[in-house]
Amino acid sequence: GQNIDQPTEMTATEGAIVQINCTYQTSGFNGLFWYQQHAGEAPTFLSYNVLDGLEEKGRFSSFLSRSKGYSYLLLKELQMKDSASYLCAVRALTNAGKSTFGDGTTLTVKP
Amino acid sequence: DTGVSQDPRHKITKRGQNVTFRCDPISEHNRLYWYRQTLGQGPEFLTYFQNEAQLEKSRLLSDRFSAERPKGSFSTLEIQRTEQGDSAMYLCASSSRGDAYGYTFGSGTRLTVV
Repeated sequence: GQNIDQPTEMTATEGAIVQINCTYQTSGFNGLFWYQQHAGEAPTFLSYNVLDGLEEKGRFSSFLSRSKGYSYLLLKELQMKDSASYLCAVRALTNAGKSTFGDGTTLTVKP
Repeated sequence: DTGVSQDPRHKITKRGQNVTFRCDPISEHNRLYWYRQTLGQGPEFLTYFQNEAQLEKSRLLSDRFSAERPKGSFSTLEIQRTEQGDSAMYLCASSSRGDAYGYTFGSGTRLTVV
């Protein structure tokens, strides 16, 4: 099975940097995804890591350490619109692409 | 392509009634997933199709739930004899084999069982 842990809530200030952590346990690893979900809306894809290291995409970066079962999502130059839930999802080596999601981290950006 | 479409957006039903939801994935995506999400939780896997074949179904899913994907295009999810615990957002997602881009989700169907 898979177990995914991420903080329930975080608060940060507009213009700042925030790091959202995710730890996971899985019997076989085949990729980690981050999704953004605004209240009442569907999740949207942000990033994908399958090898160790940092993937940068504009204001968002995602890091993976497979040996530690650890990832983080880094958001820079925070904007009010970044207030949302951030979901960490792990794809197992089996199950042909099925991802298991954490419960999400609700980020509140304050002025 | 307009993305993943789900219908209806909202459904209120009485306990014991049957409901059916529809999902139209992105046309070139051969993989289709159904997830269920309740407030404060992440999406929970229900079932998965590759083309028209249903390759996996969650053990959490009771026999009241059934899904189809005839001809590998749209999919339907039916819940029979609904219970209040079935109230949730039902999300459909699709992806292609080169899924470094993750899932594309539809807007979901919010089911309320009264």
